[in-house]
Amino acid sequence: KQEVTQIPAALSVPEGENLVLNCSFTDSAIYNLQWFRQDPGKGLTSLLLIQSSQREQTSGRLNASLDKSSGRSTLYIAASQPGDSATYLCAVEQTGANNLFFGTGTRLTVIP
Amino acid sequence: DAGVIQSPRHEVTEMGQEVTLRCKPISGHDYLFWYRQTMMRGLELLIYFNNNVPIDDSGMPEDRFSAKMPNASFSTLKIQPSEPRDSAVYFCASSPPPSKRGETQYFGPGTRLLVL
Repeated sequence: KQEVTQIPAALSVPEGENLVLNCSFTDSAIYNLQWFRQDPGKGLTSLLLIQSSQREQTSGRLNASLDKSSGRSTLYIAASQPGDSATYLCAVEQTGANNLFFGTGTRLTVIP
Repeated sequence: DAGVIQSPRHEVTEMGQEVTLRCKPISGHDYLFWYRQTMMRGLELLIYFNNNVPIDDSGMPEDRFSAKMPNASFSTLKIQPSEPRDSAVYFCASSPPPSKRGETQYFGPGTRLLVL
């Protein structure tokens, strides 16, 4: 069964700092990998989706990379802002399945 | 589009009572997913449907849980009888057909369930 792990579980940084969130998965037979954001008491919002054939995706200050062979992905956030404070979840869609396997998330706090 | 709609947003009930959670997927999406989120276990898939047909229900914890999708625009997740350990946030999500993959799953706001 696919296992998705996220490190660190929590991260606190001062405003303006660049940061990296890590995600690893055990089965490299994936269709895509996605990063979601979850605000307290809210649902999930998709940030970036990387197809298995891609190496990275960028959206504004966010950049996500994928190394399928090593089972790793990183989410890079540049020039962090207090509004970036949220829980970030990594999820993989396995080849042949349609559901997502989620990591336990990284809770990010950006201090003004 | 209004996005994925879930009701109720909050539910407080007593142990042993029946609970019914509702979901309306995005129009045109033919996949519908039910997830449960707890502090201990994170987000877990319970069941998903394709074109109203249940495809994988291996995540349904036990017989007390059942899900239906009578048509393309409505699904229910029922817990009977409910137990305190069922307390969690239940999310519904929908996604477009495989021909339009490259799009993610779209999540509803969730139903926060508390069983006393």
